Amino acid sequence: EIVMTQYRATVSVSLGERATLSCRASQNIGTDLAWYYQRPGQAPRILMYGASTRVTGIPDRFGGSGSGTEFTLTISRLQSEDVGIYFCQHYNNWPPWTFGQGTKVEIK
Amino acid sequence: QVRLVQSGAEVKKPGASVKISCKTSGYNFLVYAIHWLRQAPGQRLEWIGWINVDTGDTEYSPKLQGRITATRDTSATTAFLELKRLQSADAAIYYCVRLTLAGKFFDSWGQGTQVTVSA
Repeated sequence: EIVMTQYRATVSVSLGERATLSCRASQNIGTDLAWYYQRPGQAPRILMYGASTRVTGIPDRFGGSGSGTEFTLTISRLQSEDVGIYFCQHYNNWPPWTFGQGTKVEIK
Repeated sequence: QVRLVQSGAEVKKPGASVKISCKTSGYNFLVYAIHWLRQAPGQRLEWIGWINVDTGDTEYSPKLQGRITATRDTSATTAFLELKRLQSADAAIYYCVRLTLAGKFFDSWGQGTQVTVSA
């Protein structure tokens, strides 16, 4: 089973500043990585796949990068509606599909 | 518009069973697999099983094998998850999710069903 690790439990960023979130896979997954976003009390929603491809409707202030085992999600200009929990998920060798434990983004 | 609407919260005693429904709409039900995930308090999302809604084939997490059953009603475009012999560790929010055709990520989610297990 591939283990996904998001080392930072919380990232605190000022409005308009950059937020950087990290995700590590326990083995090489190429770019078979998705990011999800969950607002409090809501179900997660897909943000990005292929490590860097935004789904339709996601603003371009969200950027993804990385391959292999190290991945990054960047929110270039944090807005209040971006507050929530962000999860990474691999889809390289399944089942199972596994998720990181999540990083909470909050306003500093 | 793709929608997955789940049944309401459940409170069960240890040893009981729970069955959750996931009513889908807005797409061809037979084309996309339905997966089930759960999120226990303070824990990461966990994949627990899936059903090929066209054939009825299923696959489950080894952790829950023997206690979990995924089914579907194609005429009602609804998927179901049943979990038997509930334990306190089964307390979680359960999500039905649609997997993309390429078998990669989960592009549509139900709103979640809270399952509480308490004596």
